[in-house]
Amino acid sequence: GAVVSQHPSWVICKSGTSVKIECRSLDFQATTMFWYRQFPKQSLMLMATSNEGSKATYEQGVEKDKFLINHASLTLSTLTVTSAHPEDSSFYICSARSGGVNEKLFFGSGTQLSVL
Amino acid sequence: SQQGEEDPQALSIQEGENATMNCSYKTSINNLQWYRQNSGRGLVHLILIRSNEREKHSGRLRVTLDTSKKSSSLLITASRAADTASYFCATVNTGFQKLVFGTGTRLLVSP
Repeated sequence: GAVVSQHPSWVICKSGTSVKIECRSLDFQATTMFWYRQFPKQSLMLMATSNEGSKATYEQGVEKDKFLINHASLTLSTLTVTSAHPEDSSFYICSARSGGVNEKLFFGSGTQLSVL
Repeated sequence: SQQGEEDPQALSIQEGENATMNCSYKTSINNLQWYRQNSGRGLVHLILIRSNEREKHSGRLRVTLDTSKKSSSLLITASRAADTASYFCATVNTGFQKLVFGTGTRLLVSP
């Protein structure tokens, strides 16, 4: 099946620094990518939807200036957590879809972010 | 945002037994999907059922969809210890392209 690669798998950073997470579709062109956030033992909360070449659409309550999303190519989307704080510590997961709404999503393996 | 809820929140069974998880959602949908997540890992797609379908099978999995009740169920037959994971339903709402997840069911299958 299709592969989505997400890096890094885990990152520890100091409060106030920025962290970039990459999500790549390795063997297909991802017209749409989604970024989710997951707290321990909870479900996935959609943060934003990005389409290649256009601005991301953020969910209500997600600060677009804090969580910068770039989807510059059909195979790469990045999420940058700017000026990270301990409350941003979470598991971030990207997913990608090659076609329309009736196509399944392929998920990256996730990034565990810990902000000290 | 979350679309709906799943029940039970947690399910503990013995190997060989069947496991049934239910999902309810709130709005009209294009399709409903079920995913599996092992602890601390990414998600794996299990099955997709479209709004005009009522039942689908894939191996030991059986999914039903009742759009009049806005509900779906996932049945895992003859469960195995390796089926231990969290299972999430997710919906693509009519008119949108995003996939919104339910609250999830944590399944524990004991040998």
